[in-house]
Amino acid sequence: NAGVTQTPKFQVLKTGQSMTLQCAQDMNHEYMSWYRQDPGMGLRLIHYSVGAGITDQGEVPNGYNVSRSTTEDFPLRLLSAAPSQTSVYFCASSYSHLRAYEQYFGPGTRLTVT
Amino acid sequence: DAKTTQPPSMDCAEGRAANLPCNHSTISGNEYVYWYRQIHSQGPQYIIHGLKNNETNEMASLIITEDRKSSTLILPHATLRDTAVYYCIVRVEPSGGYQKVTFGTGTKLQVIP
Repeated sequence: NAGVTQTPKFQVLKTGQSMTLQCAQDMNHEYMSWYRQDPGMGLRLIHYSVGAGITDQGEVPNGYNVSRSTTEDFPLRLLSAAPSQTSVYFCASSYSHLRAYEQYFGPGTRLTVT
Repeated sequence: DAKTTQPPSMDCAEGRAANLPCNHSTISGNEYVYWYRQIHSQGPQYIIHGLKNNETNEMASLIITEDRKSSTLILPHATLRDTAVYYCIVRVEPSGGYQKVTFGTGTKLQVIP
């Protein structure tokens, strides 16, 4: 198994540009989520999904959209990038939302918005 | 969620057992103890979790005291690749909704050659 994969590893955007961060898992996990990690602020949940076709907002959803058309993929879209979205983004998955703390994280995408 | 206290840093000689302590004196009966680690510039990695019995998997062992007020994560034969920040989290087993993984400051483990 490849586990949780994320692309790209690094990205530089200009303010106002849009892009999609890709996340895929091959473990048939039901639960997937997106976090951002900023220095001194720990991990903050952006959006999550408990299954294909079902998504919901986390604690910092503004400026981001998600969709879950398949079990495997959970892309994160930045609609109009802002410098405040400069961060490291992690995708994670777990077998079930009832075991969401047993999460497996991807390697991260380092995003810089200028 | 119960608060956890971990030492900010520890050193361990390569090949020796690394014993990482965590205090969670306000833990309640239905809260689990979870351990994660984050190697520099990588995503957090789930290690192990337990409720009251000791647990072991291929990565580590988790020893929880009988009163459940503290626990110890044991890496039996530390290698240089185990150098990371280790996080102890106490959390109720989720029953629904979104489950925010909240990390404290953790213990920075340095494995020394």
